[in-house]
Amino acid sequence: GENVEQHPSTLSVQEGDSAVIKCTYSDSASNYFPWYKQELGKGPQLIIDIRSNVGEKKDQRIAVTLNKTAKHFSLHITETQPEDSAVYFCAASMDSNYQLIWGAGTKLIIKP
Amino acid sequence: KAGVTQTPRYLIKTRGQQVTLSCSPISGHRSVSWYQQTPGQGLQFLFEYFSETQRNKGNFPGRFSGRQFSNSRSEMNVSTLELGDSALYLCASSADQVRADGYTFGSGTRLTVV
Repeated sequence: GENVEQHPSTLSVQEGDSAVIKCTYSDSASNYFPWYKQELGKGPQLIIDIRSNVGEKKDQRIAVTLNKTAKHFSLHITETQPEDSAVYFCAASMDSNYQLIWGAGTKLIIKP
Repeated sequence: KAGVTQTPRYLIKTRGQQVTLSCSPISGHRSVSWYQQTPGQGLQFLFEYFSETQRNKGNFPGRFSGRQFSNSRSEMNVSTLELGDSALYLCASSADQVRADGYTFGSGTRLTVV
């Protein structure tokens, strides 16, 4: 079955710098890759997603890139701010099997 | 529109007891999934219900069960509670049977077993 690996488990960056979180997946049939942000005391919230027919997607300071050949996708956050501090989860799924397979999560710490 | 509602938000139970958690999905959503989240363990998938039928199940013991009603509201039950069951239990709802986009989480129920 599908397996998603996420790195790093913890990432600490200076406020204003960029942060990159990477995920790899095992099943080439996966075609949907969302990223979720979980703030303290809350459930995860979808922040951006990408489908396999697209290589990159941006939304203001957040972008996701997908490399289907290498089977990995990454979350890029530019000009990081204190409110970006949270746990980020990646996931993968395929239309033929409705189930999201999750990465283990990355705790992002923004240092003032 | 209203989001995914989980009740109660916090719960304290004693070992050996049982507990029932409730999840009301976004209006029109027919799929509800349940997750257990413990520190350092990420999101562990429990089960997923669609149109009152359990469609997928994770690797949890039979003490964990669930059901879905005709109005798509879902409940999960844990019997004979153990200390290790202390966790944040999250549910997520989605509209479409085969597409994962639009997957929305509730704020969770924090269960503490003492």
